[in-house]
Amino acid sequence: KQEVTQIPAALSVPEGENLVLNCSFTDSAIYNLQWFRQDPGKGLTSLLLIQSSQREQTSGRLNASLDKSSGRSTLYIAASQPGDSATYLCAVEDSNYQLIWGAGTKLIIKP
Amino acid sequence: NAGVTQTPKFQVLKTGQSMTLQCAQDMNHNSMYWYRQDPGMGLRLIYYSASEGTTDKGEVPNGYNVSRLNKREFSLRLESAAPSQTSVYFCASSDQQGVAGANVLTFGAGSRLTVL
Repeated sequence: KQEVTQIPAALSVPEGENLVLNCSFTDSAIYNLQWFRQDPGKGLTSLLLIQSSQREQTSGRLNASLDKSSGRSTLYIAASQPGDSATYLCAVEDSNYQLIWGAGTKLIIKP
Repeated sequence: NAGVTQTPKFQVLKTGQSMTLQCAQDMNHNSMYWYRQDPGMGLRLIYYSASEGTTDKGEVPNGYNVSRLNKREFSLRLESAAPSQTSVYFCASSDQQGVAGANVLTFGAGSRLTVL
């Protein structure tokens, strides 16, 4: 059974720092991996999607990487800003086309 | 604004009461989903509907029923609420692009349900 883990559960860093969020999964048979952002009281917003054949995707200050063989993905945030404070979730689409979710990393950027 | 609309945003129930969470999307998506989110856990799929007229169980369907009323609307019903169903519920929709295509979901804002 596919399991997705995100460590740490919470992270607090000063504004301006570059940071990395981690996501690991147990079964490498995935179609893709997505990173989402969740703001309090709001739904989830898709940030980046990496197909299984890709190694990374970039959007602005965000860069997501995927290493299927080791079951790991990272979300790199450059020059962090207070507006980046949110919970970040990763999800893998498994061989049954279902999304399996991590519990998320709550990120706080201190001004 | 186009998107997914869920109602109500908040609800408090007593054990044994029933209620329906409503969800509507205006993006002409084929697929719709109901998830629950509990502290310290990832989202868990309750039910989904790959197309109008079809519904399938997800990971945690017990205690819930769904109706895909039409292409736009997908409702979730709790027939006899239990404290274990206290959670935040999210509706989502997608237009899956092919067998190995990306299943990018658009989410509603969530419904916070408390069962006493």
